[in-house]
Amino acid sequence: QKEVEQNSGPLSVPEGAIASLNCTYSDRGSQSFFWYRQYSGKSPELIMFIYSNGDKEDGRFTAQLNKASQYVSLLIRDSQPSDSATYLCAVNMRKGGSEKLVFGKGTKLTVNP
Amino acid sequence: KAGVTQTPRYLIKTRGQQVTLSCSPISGHRSVSWYQQTPGQGLQFLFEYFSETQRNKGNFPGRFSGRQFSNSRSEMNVSTLELGDSALYLCASSWTRGINTEAFFGQGTRLTVV
Repeated sequence: QKEVEQNSGPLSVPEGAIASLNCTYSDRGSQSFFWYRQYSGKSPELIMFIYSNGDKEDGRFTAQLNKASQYVSLLIRDSQPSDSATYLCAVNMRKGGSEKLVFGKGTKLTVNP
Repeated sequence: KAGVTQTPRYLIKTRGQQVTLSCSPISGHRSVSWYQQTPGQGLQFLFEYFSETQRNKGNFPGRFSGRQFSNSRSEMNVSTLELGDSALYLCASSWTRGINTEAFFGQGTRLTVV
């Protein structure tokens, strides 16, 4: 099983719809989870982080975490064409005293006007 | 506040050469991590430096090395370049180490090996 898995997409939604992006991770001990947005040709940009089970809302973005299911998601409400990008899920994993941020391969989102 | 600065932005090198990439973190940030991004493998962790010491290392060959200076600036070196080293190299800075620390990325260095 890959450490962090995401559906590669592409995910296509109409403008104004809710986009749902999903991520699963393998390390049950992971404690912190991040969502990055990467526009084509640009570097990843941090948009959300979540540490506790449940939902965390920031504007149009909601991150959801379920540690028992080892699942984290990102919902984008009222999707805009400017949200079209690749969304990367990242999990901070700690093993044997060392830790690293492990990224999924990303889900490409297209919001159609 | 200035962001993470990486130089150069683009590089073209020949197989067998070596290359050094530079990363200046956000002011006050002490941790610098390096990543390789390719279309096939995605973002892969290379190593992390904190207080001039390598703290964590990913699964890359010894040709990939780095260092961090007292002002937290970091360099990454790749020796004996191979075609497969062509990638976007990203560095990310954090104000400290820790499981809950957010990382902020620079614009990256696009390395092409011919």
